Amino acid sequence: GAGVSQSPRYKVAKRGQDVALRCDPISGHVSLFWYQQALGQGPEFLTYFQNEAQLDKSGLPSDRFFAERPEGSVSTLKIQRTQQEDSAVYLCASSFLTGGPGNTIYFGEGSWLTVV
Amino acid sequence: AQKITQTQPGMFVQEKEAVTLDCTYDTSDPSYGLFWYKQPSSGEMIFLIYQGSYDQQNATEGRYSLNFQKARKSANLVISASQLGDSAMYFCAMREGRVERSNYKLTFGKGTLLTVNP
Repeated sequence: GAGVSQSPRYKVAKRGQDVALRCDPISGHVSLFWYQQALGQGPEFLTYFQNEAQLDKSGLPSDRFFAERPEGSVSTLKIQRTQQEDSAVYLCASSFLTGGPGNTIYFGEGSWLTVV
Repeated sequence: AQKITQTQPGMFVQEKEAVTLDCTYDTSDPSYGLFWYKQPSSGEMIFLIYQGSYDQQNATEGRYSLNFQKARKSANLVISASQLGDSAMYFCAMREGRVERSNYKLTFGKGTLLTVNP
């Protein structure tokens, strides 16, 4: 597709359940990002991939959060033993590393996670 | 200290009028980039406009322009001729460091909810 695609769009999980959120970036984009957006807040950085390498995972809030991008395209964000505070929109974004003036980052529509 | 400050939680504007959304930033890095994104209720963050710290001229993209005042560390978004479809959350964001170093983290403000009235 033309844009960043995320699935599922909506997920309701029971506390303690594991969830997996998928991101399909724009074709050819080297960089892939995950952001977490709590209600009424701006997005906050979680992790960054360049191709299949996870270069920065400093934003992951706990060791229950795990992300992978094994073939350098599709990425999965996994949250184990979900807690209520994990309820948020998880945004995936990608960009093409050109070193150009904007290096624009394009976002998907997000996966809305509610933990009950 | 907040790196990106958006002081207007909500703004109202009449259709066809211009509106300015405020953004101030804080960084000690001489190289940085400033972004504005629009987030409609669907959730997608839509890129609007970019300003680099070394750019001499204010960025413009169609009805969007960025009023960049480097000394005041402000990067206000101006939307001209507002349309009903402009109603959305607007986020200011910053990336610190040179693009060539592949600095990638965006730091976002809390956003401004713009409502365009008919």
